[in-house]
Amino acid sequence: DAGVIQSPRHEVTEMGQEVTLRCKPISGHNSLFWYRQTMMRGLELLIYFNNNVPIDDSGMPEDRFSAKMPNASFSTLKIQPSEPRDSAVYFCASSNLPPSQQFFGPGTRLTVL
Amino acid sequence: KNQVEQSPQSLIILEGKNCTLQCNYTVSPFSNLRWYKQDTGRGPVSLTIMTFSENTKSNGRYTATLDADTKQSSLHITASQLSDSASYICVVSRLSGGSYIPTFGRGTSLIVHP
Repeated sequence: DAGVIQSPRHEVTEMGQEVTLRCKPISGHNSLFWYRQTMMRGLELLIYFNNNVPIDDSGMPEDRFSAKMPNASFSTLKIQPSEPRDSAVYFCASSNLPPSQQFFGPGTRLTVL
Repeated sequence: KNQVEQSPQSLIILEGKNCTLQCNYTVSPFSNLRWYKQDTGRGPVSLTIMTFSENTKSNGRYTATLDADTKQSSLHITASQLSDSASYICVVSRLSGGSYIPTFGRGTSLIVHP
């Protein structure tokens, strides 16, 4: 298995633009997590899905952020409009039903100018 | 408030030496505690997981301890290697409404010098 796949690996955009991050979880995993990591705040859980259904989105910072999981093999995290303070590394992770080990993807480094 | 505090924030040691990282938490109700290793530019990788009834768990040169009474955990690294240079993150999960909600520590940055 290739592990969790994220794309793009790097994204540089201008303030106000829409950004879409993509994630393909490990086949057979039924839980998917989106995290954000910054130097100031460390790792933060944004949202997680179980069997494609959002379970907890209390970590989503504001309405500019939205996440979808249309099927078991794909999820997106969208920021619209983006702001410089959204600059961070965004990780996707998948697992079997928690508290099983989460496997993290390589992350997407987002820079909003 | 659910919090996870790690110390020290950073640590520099010589190759071959041992070290211990600390994690204190106030997460409740406690479900499990994980230690992750995160290499620069990569996602975290799980080292150990401990539940309420477990006091010690080892993974090679890594040994984690848990004191559920004092809400403290430690990660001991034996005979450190250059490849141990990384950030070590303590994550404590609670069970809420049927879901496991993780709370992350800020991590300890470990540098192992030759």
